[in-house]
Amino acid sequence: AQSVTQLDSHVSVSEGTPVLLRCNYSSSYSPSLFWYVQHPNKGLQLLLKYTSAATLVKGINGFEAEFKKSETSFHLTKPSAHMSDAAEYFCVVSDQESSASKIIFGSGTRLSIRP
Amino acid sequence: GAVVSQHPSWVICKSGTSVKIECRSLDFQATTMFWYRQFPKQSLMLMATSNEGSKATYEQGVEKDKFLINHASLTLSTLTVTSAHPEDSSFYICSASSDTQYFGPGTRLTVL
Repeated sequence: AQSVTQLDSHVSVSEGTPVLLRCNYSSSYSPSLFWYVQHPNKGLQLLLKYTSAATLVKGINGFEAEFKKSETSFHLTKPSAHMSDAAEYFCVVSDQESSASKIIFGSGTRLSIRP
Repeated sequence: GAVVSQHPSWVICKSGTSVKIECRSLDFQATTMFWYRQFPKQSLMLMATSNEGSKATYEQGVEKDKFLINHASLTLSTLTVTSAHPEDSSFYICSASSDTQYFGPGTRLTVL
């Protein structure tokens, strides 16, 4: 069985400071991992994905995540937060290489940005 | 990128009535669409997987007779909430699958 745990339900940072959103996974298979962002009244948007290639994955809007098998983690980072980054972020796991098939969502982390 | 639309974006209905939500892939064909439910400040829970031309596969605990899914074409899937009750009030999100899942903007259902 697969699952993801997002360790923080809410993260608040100041604009211009680094962002760290934590995610740990559990999977019987070699997993594929994804980060999605949900802005109010907008559809979920894929930020980045890991599919067993490079362990450091770069995504859109300056976000990146590192797959660490020894720690079963896939934390999302950004060097400098922008006000537009305020949103809900979901860590997602799949046993397939793409998210085209069934995926499991984490509980979500709400990111707030202080001016 | 691929665009998925949902209609309506919000709906209010009386208890006991049925509500239909449409999910369309606007610029690509999707053999598989997914329906999710999201409660306030919670994550997305998969309700069912919809394959074009075949019966939907429902997740455990989801009543298939209450949440009717039809995937009649490669660009349209519908979710009908039958005999809706206040506990069915939620945010319903669909996704359409090609190389990845593309999500619709969601439909907020309020049952009075």
